[in-house]
Amino acid sequence: DAMVIQNPRYQVTQFGKPVTLSCSQTLNHNVMYWYQQKSSQAPKLLFHYYDKDFNNEADTPDNFQSRRPNTSFCFLDIRSPGLGDAAMYLCATSRGSSNEQFFGPGTRLTVL
Amino acid sequence: AQSVSQHNHHVILSEAASLELGCNYSYGGTVNLFWYVQYPGQHLQLLLKYFSGDPLVKGIKGFEAEFIKSKFSFNLRKPSVQWSDTAEYFCAVFSGGYQKVTFGTGTKLQVIP
Repeated sequence: DAMVIQNPRYQVTQFGKPVTLSCSQTLNHNVMYWYQQKSSQAPKLLFHYYDKDFNNEADTPDNFQSRRPNTSFCFLDIRSPGLGDAAMYLCATSRGSSNEQFFGPGTRLTVL
Repeated sequence: AQSVSQHNHHVILSEAASLELGCNYSYGGTVNLFWYVQYPGQHLQLLLKYFSGDPLVKGIKGFEAEFIKSKFSFNLRKPSVQWSDTAEYFCAVFSGGYQKVTFGTGTKLQVIP
């Protein structure tokens, strides 16, 4: 089945220790998104790629970076995680930015 | 900035009760509207969507939603809920002006057998 895969499902890191979350898709969608979701809050868009074009949200901290080496893969790098970065990170894809998004299962990040 | 409001944060219903979850958005231009659902332990998935045409749209599992442009609303309904509808429901709006999707804060629905 075509899908969005996120690895790992659970990630524990130490305060200030860089961490990378990965997302892959078999849908061949041209848009890939990264969201941060905290408990009882809406998914918050961090950035997205439209093809190779990177689109950063204005309020996304510089601590968060992303890479998309090819159509199928996208990475979220957190350079120096703080306690406030503990959250669920969701990857999603879509065909064009106006269409429905397909979500992965998420990676729950814990910062010690 | 675009915003999406879901007024009910937590709803508890008995099986067979009717459901209506509110969703209002702030953007006045062209919009695409979505409801997503997240069942316990599962990922977000699309329940239904509205792009154009008949403002009453039907989705999976007996859900429907009505787009009322004058009220900037896209409320989700189901005539008779089941225990398996226990989940969190998110309204989302894509605006042509902002070229992005904004999610509401979600409504947790608990259906009691």
